[in-house]
Formats: sequence, C-alpha cells, structure tokens
Amino acid sequence: LAKTTQPISMDSYEGQEVNITCSHNNIATNDYITWYQQFPSQGPRFIIQGYKTKVTNEVASLFIPADRKSSTLSLPRVSLSDTAVYYCLVGDKAAGNKLTFGGGTRVLVKP
Amino acid sequence: DGGITQSPKYLFRKEGQNVTLSCEQNLNHDAMYWYRQDPGQGLRLIYYSQIVNDFQKGDIAEGYSVSREKKESFPLTVTSAQKNPTAFYLCASDLGGYYGYTFGSGTRLTVV
Repeated sequence: LAKTTQPISMDSYEGQEVNITCSHNNIATNDYITWYQQFPSQGPRFIIQGYKTKVTNEVASLFIPADRKSSTLSLPRVSLSDTAVYYCLVGDKAAGNKLTFGGGTRVLVKP
Repeated sequence: DGGITQSPKYLFRKEGQNVTLSCEQNLNHDAMYWYRQDPGQGLRLIYYSQIVNDFQKGDIAEGYSVSREKKESFPLTVTSAQKNPTAFYLCASDLGGYYGYTFGSGTRLTVV
C-alpha cells in the first residue's frame, strides 16, 4: 500500500486559502487519492477524491500533478469551523484493498 | 435518513470484562470496518468485512472479535485479552469500488 506523508500541523487565518500537500512517492497505477476531514470526537468525513489533474467540489479542490507522486488539498477562504484534522489516503479500494489513515494534518484557523 | 449508528456513545469497562460495541447501517453498503483511534493519533484498522459472514483482520486485531451475520450489522467485541482498550472506536461502511467511507459518530471506551 502507498505510504503518505503530510505536515503534522498548519495554522491559518479566517478568509485565507489553506493548501495541504501530501506526498505519496510509491503510488500505484490504479490508486486513487482521497481526503477526509475529522472534527474532535467525530468520525472522519469524506471531502474529495481524485485520480489525476484537478478535481473541484463545493468544499475543496484537489490538485494532482502528472507524476501523481503528490497531491494538494486546497480549502478556499477558510472559516473557524474548518479547524480540523485532514487525512490523505491513497489506495485502490476497487481491488479490495483496505485504506490506511496516517496521522493527518491538524489545521487551526485563527480569527 | 441513511447513515451509520454506533452505540453506546460512551462505555466504561472493568478490568477483565468483555464489552460489545454496536454498529448498524441502513445504507445498504456491502463493506464495513472498525477503526481504533488513540488521542492525537490517526485511525488504525481493527477488522473489516466485505460481505456477510466473512471478515478479515486488520492491522491491530489482537484482543478483538467481530461477527457479520447481517448486512446491516457489524458488532465489535473488545475482549479481556486487549490489554489497553481505552480509545475512541469508529465504525465505517462503503459501497465498495472507489466510493468513500461513511463513518459513524464513534464510541469512546474507557477502562475503569
């Protein structure tokens, strides 16, 4: 399974854009990249998933370069309620592989 | 509304006792998972089941047991063999394929 590396923590301010980069150097051809958000004492929530290039939804954007060895989650104009832990997962669930959660990135949004 | 229900929200266990955590889903998902989360840490996979009457060990299965007799239910038993069971337990399900996981709200287990 592809191993991921992401920063342990990041601070930001309300209204700013937050970009979290995840490294996954040994990503396999069939692996997808998925990001989750977790608030304290709650289960993680699916944010976005992608395979290559750029994916955008109402919550975030996911940028994936051509070599797919990294990906960047972009949260536009964050608010205090975006303070959470963000996890990057890489894997091929369609092949029956289980996904592994790393330590995640703790994002603190300040007023 | 469809979702995953975990109960109880808080659970206290005495040393040497077995306890069972409930996980029920009405999403018609085939696969279900149990994760353990320790303070400030990521999630670690305990057991998972991709179909009824079948389940596989995850990365930290020792001291835990599961059953999958119905598609909707995937209970986790924390046995007395689990030496450090105090943690936050999360149940998840998914449709399979490339869909994301749906998580329950968790059960916080404390040994007293």
